[in-house]
Amino acid sequence: DTGVSQDPRHKITKRGQNVTFRCDPISEHNRLYWYRQTLGQGPEFLTYFQNEAQLEKSRLLSDRFSAERPKGSFSTLEIQRTEQGDSAMYLCASSRITGVGRELFFGEGSRLTVL
Amino acid sequence: DQQVKQNSPSLSVQEGRISILNCDYTNSMFDYFLWYKKYPAEGPTFLISISSIKDKNEDGRFTVFLNKSAKHLSLHIVPSQPGDSAVYFCAASVGNFGNEKLTFGTGTRLTIIP
Repeated sequence: DTGVSQDPRHKITKRGQNVTFRCDPISEHNRLYWYRQTLGQGPEFLTYFQNEAQLEKSRLLSDRFSAERPKGSFSTLEIQRTEQGDSAMYLCASSRITGVGRELFFGEGSRLTVL
Repeated sequence: DQQVKQNSPSLSVQEGRISILNCDYTNSMFDYFLWYKKYPAEGPTFLISISSIKDKNEDGRFTVFLNKSAKHLSLHIVPSQPGDSAVYFCAASVGNFGNEKLTFGTGTRLTIIP
């Protein structure tokens, strides 16, 4: 499978615990994005990387959130001290710098439920 | 501030007829527009896009129309098929230093009635 891969697909945790999500982008893509989607809303931008550099962070990304892409390949999104409001689908997407289109290719998402 | 708006949360269309999904935007800097389709428990899948230099783009049963003066775009699906039942998201981006960060609307749930 050469698409964007996310793990785990579903995580249930208790409030206050830390969680980490992993994203493996399409191999030739050097841009990687994290989005969050809550019920009834469209995906909302959180942050993006070009290779290993984190170039932009949304104000939605509080201090409890940290994202890394250490070698410019896979990325992790960690949420510390989870709150019930963090319950959402966390979507990873990747794209190429060059290309005719500007579409992002999304993974299937990691659904977080905070009890 | 919702820069991309999809004012119809849901739409039902008879199989074989035309489905028209609408999207409005407020940011005049947007210069590239996309439609994504999403099934439950899956990530969004790219469907079709249009650059602001065009007013129409067609791909098989799917056509996107862009009216820049009205800041409005629409997706036409004809003929509609049961497999088209999904949530459709409109998205837009600004061609700024090659960052394709997308701003999404809230989605329209399309149901195709057999």
